[in-house]
Amino acid sequence: DTAVSQTPKYLVTQMGNDKSIKCEQNLGHDTMYWYKQDSKKFLKIMFSYNNKELIINETVPNRFSPKSPDKAHLNLHINSLELGDSAVYFCASTEGVLSYEQYFGPGTRLTVT
Amino acid sequence: AQSVAQPEDQVNVAEGNPLTVKCTYSVSGNPYLFWYVQYPNRGLQFLLKYITGDNLVKGSYGFEAEFNKSQTSFHLKKPSALVSDSALYFCAVRDRRGGFKTIFGAGTRLFVKA
Repeated sequence: DTAVSQTPKYLVTQMGNDKSIKCEQNLGHDTMYWYKQDSKKFLKIMFSYNNKELIINETVPNRFSPKSPDKAHLNLHINSLELGDSAVYFCASTEGVLSYEQYFGPGTRLTVT
Repeated sequence: AQSVAQPEDQVNVAEGNPLTVKCTYSVSGNPYLFWYVQYPNRGLQFLLKYITGDNLVKGSYGFEAEFNKSQTSFHLKKPSALVSDSALYFCAVRDRRGGFKTIFGAGTRLFVKA
């Protein structure tokens, strides 16, 4: 059973399009995160939700909008995609906001052409 | 502000030799410290953490790390490297004073040669 899953695994799209990435965790965790890993492998947090409430909102373009329909799901919608959005996006979860160990999904490789 | 530095982009070691991957951190208060490993085309996997207590913490796959408060370091070590340890290693820190954010270092690629 996959603990944290993401769909799609790969996403190739053109500039200007709108796309969504979905994340689901079956661990019963309360807190979920989105990270962006750039081509140099640098990992940067974007958003975090705890029980469907936004608790971390880093300085990212407002073209990025997270949504958490329930605590097991955290989706990321990106409007008007740009070349610089090309990266691997990782979802992660923890038991609670102060829990230590993060469980990461396999990543979604987004390529904008 | 929190920050993590991993001074080496890559570490090369021969199989069977000891390995060290370096990490230094900066936080306002006392830190929680973590190491994660990333294999190609995979998500990060938790290796070990320092929360409190013994400065030497043991984790998965025979890895250990030593917390050194005076040097603000948390180096990852293993007594005998395996080829299968070759991967990307991330050090991470979180401020103990209730912060929700975990800050990751830039990563160090470990290459173990047979």
